[in-house]
Amino acid sequence: GIQVEQSPPDLILQEGANSTLRCNFSDSVNNLQWFHQNPWGQLINLFYIPSGTKQNGRLSATTVATERYSLLYISSSQTTDSGVYFCAVTGTASKLTFGTGTRLQVTL
Amino acid sequence: ETGVTQTPRHLVMGMTNKKSLKCEQHLGHNAMYWYKQSAKKPLELMFVYSLEERVENNSVPSRFSPECPNSSHLFLHLHTLQPEDSALYLCASSQGHPGTFTYNEQFFGPGTRLTVL
Repeated sequence: GIQVEQSPPDLILQEGANSTLRCNFSDSVNNLQWFHQNPWGQLINLFYIPSGTKQNGRLSATTVATERYSLLYISSSQTTDSGVYFCAVTGTASKLTFGTGTRLQVTL
Repeated sequence: ETGVTQTPRHLVMGMTNKKSLKCEQHLGHNAMYWYKQSAKKPLELMFVYSLEERVENNSVPSRFSPECPNSSHLFLHLHTLQPEDSALYLCASSQGHPGTFTYNEQFFGPGTRLTVL
């Protein structure tokens, strides 16, 4: 099956800083999603982005399907951005496969 | 209610108990999923239902028994669980394409945190 790797595994930022999270995948994908898991376990949809670039407020994402990676940008980080960020992909007729996540801590 | 809801949010059970987890989606989707998230492991897909038919079962032990009575409701019946089954159980839904089993954007519920004593 498809392998999904995320980097970095852990990230500590001061409030107001910017960051880039990376997701590499091993095969062609039909779908790619970015999620934020809050401290209570809820997975919140950030982007559905099999290709191209999208922006939503302080967050934006870019997927370059031909090069098998996606990037999630967080600008002007806030303490409420803390949590785990997951990338998940679906190949042709296959299940949604999650990466191991990037754990982000934003400090004051 | 909106989105995907799950009850209960927390559950503590003994190894000889029988309990059920409930999931309801209010998004008009036709596919529903159960995932397991254990500490320090990626989310693992357990079951997929498309149009109320089970289309995927990822080698899940028989002590976990799913049920999908209609496209809006999904249950996970639990019996004689082991302590290693303690985890966060997440339900999700999406608008699937049953013929090809490709899945569009998935939306998750808040999860049930299960502890098996």
